[in-house]
Amino acid sequence: DAKTTQPTSMDCAEGRAANLPCNHSTISGNEYVYWYRQIHSQGPQYIIHGLKNNETNEMASLIITEDRKSSTLILPHATLRDTAVYYCIVRVGDNQGGKLIFGQGTELSVKP
Amino acid sequence: GAVVSQHPSRVICKSGTSVKIECRSLDFQATTMFWYRQFPKQSLMLMATSNEGSKATYEQGVEKDKFLINHASLTLSTLTVTSAHPEDSSFYICSARKPRYGYTFGSGTRLTVV
Repeated sequence: DAKTTQPTSMDCAEGRAANLPCNHSTISGNEYVYWYRQIHSQGPQYIIHGLKNNETNEMASLIITEDRKSSTLILPHATLRDTAVYYCIVRVGDNQGGKLIFGQGTELSVKP
Repeated sequence: GAVVSQHPSRVICKSGTSVKIECRSLDFQATTMFWYRQFPKQSLMLMATSNEGSKATYEQGVEKDKFLINHASLTLSTLTVTSAHPEDSSFYICSARKPRYGYTFGSGTRLTVV
């Protein structure tokens, strides 16, 4: 019942930008897009989230299309430590009680 | 910041016994916490939403009598796996939401039932 679609896996060269796409064509007007990543056997780590405007923080940039049906997470200079499974999630529910339903994610491998 | 602590990180128990996992929000109050389980090479599956002072809301297909959730205070939620069996072996992860910080996850508990 996940509402997002992501490629199963991607490779990226160390030092290059990693662009991870996500399709969320059924997103509703008040639903946020969240990105998390999970390194093996650890809890997910928050990366970024947004509603309709592009967002940037110290970790990444989030580009959301104007129709909000898809988004792209950009890691500007990927390092080997960025190798992880990246999850694009549409928050389900209202502002305080909303829950995160995870899809299958993209396994990103950063290679030397 | 928003820190969520989960304990224990790893537990092995005998089949038929019960195991309790704790999830604490260390520097904020969390009226709502979430419990997930994750099997090897699979994604996280939401099990239930834990609400402080009220009953948990379980996702479809999750046995509420098997996975007991208690959220007795604004900083602590517990998940008890009752009468554990080998098929309950999994990675259990909790999460809490702090306004303006988003959802923070614990480091997970690896449960092995032998």
